[in-house]
Amino acid sequence: KAGVTQTPRYLIKTRGQQVTLSCSPISGHRSVSWYQQTPGQGLQFLFEYFSETQRNKGNFPGRFSGRQFSNSRSEMNVSTLELGDSALYLCASSSGLASDTQYFGPGTRLTVL
Amino acid sequence: GQNIDQPTEMTATEGAIVQINCTYQTSGFNGLFWYQQHAAEAPTFLSYNVLDGLEEKGRFSSFLSRSKGYSYLLLKELQMKDSASYLCAVRDHRDDKIIFGKGTRLHILP
Repeated sequence: KAGVTQTPRYLIKTRGQQVTLSCSPISGHRSVSWYQQTPGQGLQFLFEYFSETQRNKGNFPGRFSGRQFSNSRSEMNVSTLELGDSALYLCASSSGLASDTQYFGPGTRLTVL
Repeated sequence: GQNIDQPTEMTATEGAIVQINCTYQTSGFNGLFWYQQHAAEAPTFLSYNVLDGLEEKGRFSSFLSRSKGYSYLLLKELQMKDSASYLCAVRDHRDDKIIFGKGTRLHILP
């Protein structure tokens, strides 16, 4: 079974631009969660999508948004990029059941100049 | 809200045993996870505890005490490849969010 895939793996943008990151979950998984990881703050929860609906949301500004498609693939978008948005963005997939484990993708390393 | 605390860094010797502690505060506990993350890689699942007690999986064991809001990850027969960050994460039953601690960076010395 293929794992979680994320594209692109690396991205360089400048302040004010916008970016879209993509995540394909493990086949059969319906839940996709997005996290931002920085050295100072660790892994911070952005949002979770389940069956095309946002099920949970973290404490990030509205510049961070996402969506999920009928095939469970998910995208997240960050508009008006700021220097502080430089981070590793990880997505994790699971079946969506409460007891289920999340499996992480390799991440997208975003650098904002 | 939730709060998860774990030591920032630890150092241990190859072949030894190390215990990484995690304390948490949450209003609606529904499970605790441990993940391993090597530098520049994604976190990988190690263990899941939802009931009190010890879960053993090879060289790794994880313990949970819900009444104390406490867990530990025990690594035996340490190998150099165990040098990594270890992340403690707690699921809240009210909204199923999984919140991560900042991780413990473990250094293994030969």
